[in-house]
Amino acid sequence: KQEVTQIPAALSVPEGENLVLNCSFTDSAIYNLQWFRQDPGKGLTSLLLIQSSQREQTSGRLNASLDKSSGRSTLYIAASQPGDSATYLCAVSASGGYNKLIFGAGTRLAVHP
Amino acid sequence: DTAVSQTPKYLVTQMGNDKSIKCEQNLGHDTMYWYKQDSKKFLKIMFSYNNKELIINETVPNRFSPKSPDKAHLNLHINSLELGDSAVYFCASSQGGNDYEQYFGPGTRLTVT
Repeated sequence: KQEVTQIPAALSVPEGENLVLNCSFTDSAIYNLQWFRQDPGKGLTSLLLIQSSQREQTSGRLNASLDKSSGRSTLYIAASQPGDSATYLCAVSASGGYNKLIFGAGTRLAVHP
Repeated sequence: DTAVSQTPKYLVTQMGNDKSIKCEQNLGHDTMYWYKQDSKKFLKIMFSYNNKELIINETVPNRFSPKSPDKAHLNLHINSLELGDSAVYFCASSQGGNDYEQYFGPGTRLTVT
C-alpha cells in the first residue's frame, strides 16, 4: 500500500532563504509525482508535475526533483518570499492506473519578512 | 474563466439530511475526481470518472453516490448525512491517463450538525 510522507510538517523561515521540502513514498511503482500549494481555505494549485521517467522539473523559483528508486522527491524554493507562505502537498500517482493521487500530509510553510 | 468550479462553497446541514455538491470543469478534460480533506487536512481520493464511466471507487460508504451527466460535470450526492461526513470536498479534473496534471476546484466545506 502506497504511503506518502512529508518532512518537515511545518517550517518557518525568514524572507530570502532558500529552502527544501521533502517527500518520500513507499512504493516506487509510480506514474508521476505532483507538487501542490494550498492556501488557507482555498483549493489546491498545481505547481509542478514530474513524470516517472524524469529527474526534475523547474518553474520560476521552484525546482522539484524525483528519485524514483529511493522513493524521494524534493521541492526547492529559491529566495523565499512571504507570498510563498502556504501548505505544500506532495502526491504520487499510484500504480494501477487512472491517475489516482495519494497525498502526503503536507508541509506548512511560513515565510516572515 | 474558472477552470474547475464547485457549488456550493459552504454547506451546513443537519444529521440525516441528503445533500448534493456540484462540480463543473471547462478545461475539456475527460476525467474527473472527488477527494475528501478531513479535519486533519489529509486528502484522500473517493471517486473518479472517465468519460462518464466510474473508474475509481475507493472504500467509501454507499451513502455517497457520484453521478456524471456528461464529461464536464461530476456531482456528489450524500444520503443520511453523519457528523463524520464533515470535511472539505474537492473536485478535480485531468486528461485521461497518468501523464497529466490534476486541476482542483476551490472546495466545498460541509458541516453536519
